[in-house]
Amino acid sequence: ETGVTQSPTHLIKTRGQQVTLRCSSQSGHNTVSWYQQALGQGPQFIFQYYREEENGRGNFPPRFSGLQFPNYSSELNVNALELDDSALYLCASSSRQGMGSEAFFGQGTRLTVV
Amino acid sequence: AQRVTQPEKLLSVFKGAPVELKCNYSYSGSPELFWYVQYSRQRLQLLLRHISRESIKGFTADLNKGETSFHLKKPFAQEEDSAMYYCALKAAGNKLTFGGGTRVLVKP
Repeated sequence: ETGVTQSPTHLIKTRGQQVTLRCSSQSGHNTVSWYQQALGQGPQFIFQYYREEENGRGNFPPRFSGLQFPNYSSELNVNALELDDSALYLCASSSRQGMGSEAFFGQGTRLTVV
Repeated sequence: AQRVTQPEKLLSVFKGAPVELKCNYSYSGSPELFWYVQYSRQRLQLLLRHISRESIKGFTADLNKGETSFHLKKPFAQEEDSAMYYCALKAAGNKLTFGGGTRVLVKP
């Protein structure tokens, strides 16, 4: 059984550019959530995908978008990057919805916007 | 809207001393509460959850609905407990709301 993997681990982008972050969910998991963790803060929920459909969204603007593929891997896309988008982006996968399901986190992608 | 508050940014204790990390939440429904831990250079991982009522690595946490708290406790801290700890609430829709985190430093 493989864990949640994210790529790339680090990247640097210029303000105004677009970025795509990738996440491979743990084997057997059909739900993927994305979180943004700014320095010194707890993770903040961006959105969740369940069986390729968006299933909940946090307080993030539309320039944050995502996809989930048939193999349940996922992408997070951010357009028109701003300096405040610099953060650690975490992906978490789980096997089911509802009470008792456990989220397993990836190691994160550190995004720096200059 | 749900909210999780961890009032202490840093807790520094000596090895063998008790440690308690505070977590308070606000949520109108029935929440599911978790403690996640992040050791140095490792990924965020689940430590324990209130529905399991279990003790993991000597840590326990009791959900107090009256005080809307879910404090994490360990009677005798070990050096390997030094890490970042996050309290999290799962409401409807499977979204996790995290607190700001508490860094625990256990001194020898």
